[in-house]
Amino acid sequence: AQTVTQSQPEMSVQEAETVTLSCTYDTSENNYYLFWYKQPPSRQMILVIRQEAYKQQNATENRFSVNFQKAAKSFSLKISDSQLGDTAMYFCAFMKLSTGTASKLTFGTGTRLQVTL
Amino acid sequence: GAVVSQHPSRVICKSGTSVKIECRSLDFQATTMFWYRQFPKQSLMLMATSNEGSKATYEQGVEKDKFLINHASLTLSTLTVTSAHPEDSSFYICSAREGGYTQYFGPGTRLTVL
Repeated sequence: AQTVTQSQPEMSVQEAETVTLSCTYDTSENNYYLFWYKQPPSRQMILVIRQEAYKQQNATENRFSVNFQKAAKSFSLKISDSQLGDTAMYFCAFMKLSTGTASKLTFGTGTRLQVTL
Repeated sequence: GAVVSQHPSRVICKSGTSVKIECRSLDFQATTMFWYRQFPKQSLMLMATSNEGSKATYEQGVEKDKFLINHASLTLSTLTVTSAHPEDSSFYICSAREGGYTQYFGPGTRLTVL
């Protein structure tokens, strides 16, 4: 079974600063996807960024980028120029690519990020 | 991005009654839909996976007779909590996937059982 670990329950960053959220995972699989989702106070889960394991290049979406270290099984999220709207719970998630049965997301326990003035 | 809706957003019911929650993919056809439960300040727990026209696959420990899932069309899945009790009070979230590997989530339904 796969496990996803987010070792930082809470983090705080000042507006306009940069923050990095950690995520490690444990798997024996070679083909998988990794995701970061954010859940703001509204509780709507929003996809932030996705990384395919076969791609060496780190994914980037505007102010959000990842540092994907496959050998180390690490998948950290960097948020640049933090904004108040980035305040949310951030979940790291792993998905093994399966045939026959639906691939399922395995979530970490989340990191609560507070962006302050 | 793709939009998933849920209805109702919140519901309060009496113990012993049944409650139905709808999940719709608004601008895409969802081959697979998922139902999650989230307790306060915790992560999402997968309850079941459903494919259109097939029986749902439940995760270990989830009572299939209590949480009935129907995925009747490519845009609609329903979760019915039967004979609800206070311990079923929770935040229920659905998600849908079109054909790739990205899941899009609904806004969630807060269920309170009195």
